[in-house]
Amino acid sequence: NAGVTQTPKFRILKIGQSMTLQCAQDMNHNYMYWYRQDPGMGLKLIYYSVGAGITDKGEVPNGYNVSRSTTEDFPLRLELAAPSQTSVYFCASSNGGGAVRTDTQYFGPGTRLTVL
Amino acid sequence: GQQLNQSPQSMFIQEGEDVSMNCTSSSIFNTWLWYKQDPGEGPVLLIALYKAGELTSNGRLTAQFGITRKDSFLNISASIPSDVGIYFCAGSSSNTGKLIFGQGTTLQVKP
Repeated sequence: NAGVTQTPKFRILKIGQSMTLQCAQDMNHNYMYWYRQDPGMGLKLIYYSVGAGITDKGEVPNGYNVSRSTTEDFPLRLELAAPSQTSVYFCASSNGGGAVRTDTQYFGPGTRLTVL
Repeated sequence: GQQLNQSPQSMFIQEGEDVSMNCTSSSIFNTWLWYKQDPGEGPVLLIALYKAGELTSNGRLTAQFGITRKDSFLNISASIPSDVGIYFCAGSSSNTGKLIFGQGTTLQVKP
């Protein structure tokens, strides 16, 4: 199992550009999450999904969009990049449904994004 | 909203020393998790706690789920240089699996 994979590892964007951060997991997890981590801070939840076709906002969703067309993939879209979106972005996944614990999350290696 | 306070913010210790860090919450959690993050990597799960009062070990690491369900601590015994990194606590109180993260404790170990 590769676990949670993210691409790209690094990216520099100009203000106003758009891009999609890719995330995939091969653990058949129902739940997937996107976080951002700013220097010296913990992780803030951007969006999450409890299954294919279902997404919901987290703590800091403004400026981002997500989709979940398959169980494996959960891309994060930035439409009009702003300097405030300079951060490290982490995708995570966890089991879900029935009696399976949903809160133990497994993280990808992150995407470091700089907006200039 | 829910908040987690993690302390200390940073620690600089001598190799071989024991380390203790803790998290407190303004509300009750059903789950406490402890993660470690190495530079340039994603957080890696160290210990998961699911029951109030639970004490769980993973090698030199020991974590406890507070009886009040509003706090948790992590101890590292006999620290070694590879313990260097940022340690995060995280708590969950919902069935959606959403986690609230502490601000992190940066640990540096002097050989």
